[in-house]
Amino acid sequence: GQQLNQSPQSMFIQEGEDVSMNCTSSSIFNTWLWYKQDPGEGPVLLIALYKAGELTSNGRLTAQFGITRKDSFLNISASIPSDVGIYFCAGQLSGGYQKVTFGTGTKLQVIP
Amino acid sequence: GAVVSQHPSWVICKSGTSVKIECRSLDFQATTMFWYRQFPKQSLMLMATSNEGSKATYEQGVEKDKFLINHASLTLSTLTVTSAHPEDSSFYICSAAGTSGSTLRGQYFGPGTRLTVT
Repeated sequence: GQQLNQSPQSMFIQEGEDVSMNCTSSSIFNTWLWYKQDPGEGPVLLIALYKAGELTSNGRLTAQFGITRKDSFLNISASIPSDVGIYFCAGQLSGGYQKVTFGTGTKLQVIP
Repeated sequence: GAVVSQHPSWVICKSGTSVKIECRSLDFQATTMFWYRQFPKQSLMLMATSNEGSKATYEQGVEKDKFLINHASLTLSTLTVTSAHPEDSSFYICSAAGTSGSTLRGQYFGPGTRLTVT
């Protein structure tokens, strides 16, 4: 089955630092999504990517859809304490009503 | 926009009883809803895909007779965990996708339901 591996698994960073995390897949996806999940809550969509090579920003967040369609990265600039949480990448083969396959997650902790 | 709610947010039940969890899209219509399960410190695992007016499609290894899904309208899907056991204790999360032709893209997740079976 499809697997999405995220790296790093967890990270501690100092407030104000930039963060980068990656997601790689064993197979191709046509849509890549990045979600953030706070403890005890559902995931919240951060960025959606629909085209290979696409680079999209949402405030301090920037994500890219890899040209091979098998990877994506998420960057967070100038981290703040509320960035703490688990970040999941997710892939879809096509549109919004197709099932989403989630990555293994990256746990981010920000030291004030 | 694109708000999804779940009810209840948490529930404790005794082993052998059944529990129903509701998932509602509050400000949009959802032809398709999805049910996920998340164990502690793990990722979300898709259980089933629910289409309005038709039978749900279950992922491999998920017992359809144990996890009953009903998607009776474009804004409501329910998951019933029948004869619950302690190993069913988990965080259950639904998501909803907008109808075909909708301007909404991607899936929007509910806040989750914490189920504890004693």
